[in-house]
Amino acid sequence: DTGVSQDPRHKITKRGQNVTFRCDPISEHNRLYWYRQTLGQGPEFLTYFQNEAQLEKSRLLSDRFSAERPKGSFSTLEIQRTEQGDSAMYLCASSLDQGDYTFGSGTRLTVV
Amino acid sequence: KNQVEQSPQSLIILEGKNCTLQCNYTVSPFSNLRWYKQDTGRGPVSLTIMTFSENTKSNGRYTATLDADTKQSSLHITASQLSDSASYICVVPRDTDKLIFGTGTRLQVFP
Repeated sequence: DTGVSQDPRHKITKRGQNVTFRCDPISEHNRLYWYRQTLGQGPEFLTYFQNEAQLEKSRLLSDRFSAERPKGSFSTLEIQRTEQGDSAMYLCASSLDQGDYTFGSGTRLTVV
Repeated sequence: KNQVEQSPQSLIILEGKNCTLQCNYTVSPFSNLRWYKQDTGRGPVSLTIMTFSENTKSNGRYTATLDADTKQSSLHITASQLSDSASYICVVPRDTDKLIFGTGTRLQVFP
């Protein structure tokens, strides 16, 4: 297990299209987090899972966004009807309970 | 309001020089403070975690300080290297589950 993996690394999509990102956390980590980072800003919390349960969602996560973590392993983040304002780096992180976070390298989304 | 503020916003130094980055926070209740290094286009990597009772913590050439009374932290980088060029982000957890990130200090080290 070499850390948190995110796929794809880059995604360019046309406005209005749906996109889905995947995150594979460190296998023994029970918590998984999604953050969004725009240029020049720190990451902003979107949502997190403890095992398969989604425990909290930020108000930033509009109804066009949905995240799942079936079976408490990998997670997917889907954005429907993408808008230009969705362009950002989407970061996934995992942790064992409240321990240190390990971040993935992120998926950079560009909506044109 | 729970906030984390960093200064300076950006910093340019010559290779081999030292530098100090600042972080002020208003997150409450406080449990720990973290410094992350983020290379361009990559995810943040943890440098250090400091709890309420720790005043100083070192990780190689990185030394973090924490003053929980004034709610301030600093990250000191000694003998900078070109590979230190990155954004350094101060992070404080809110509640137990969410990290509040500062906007970071962008450090550029030139030869």
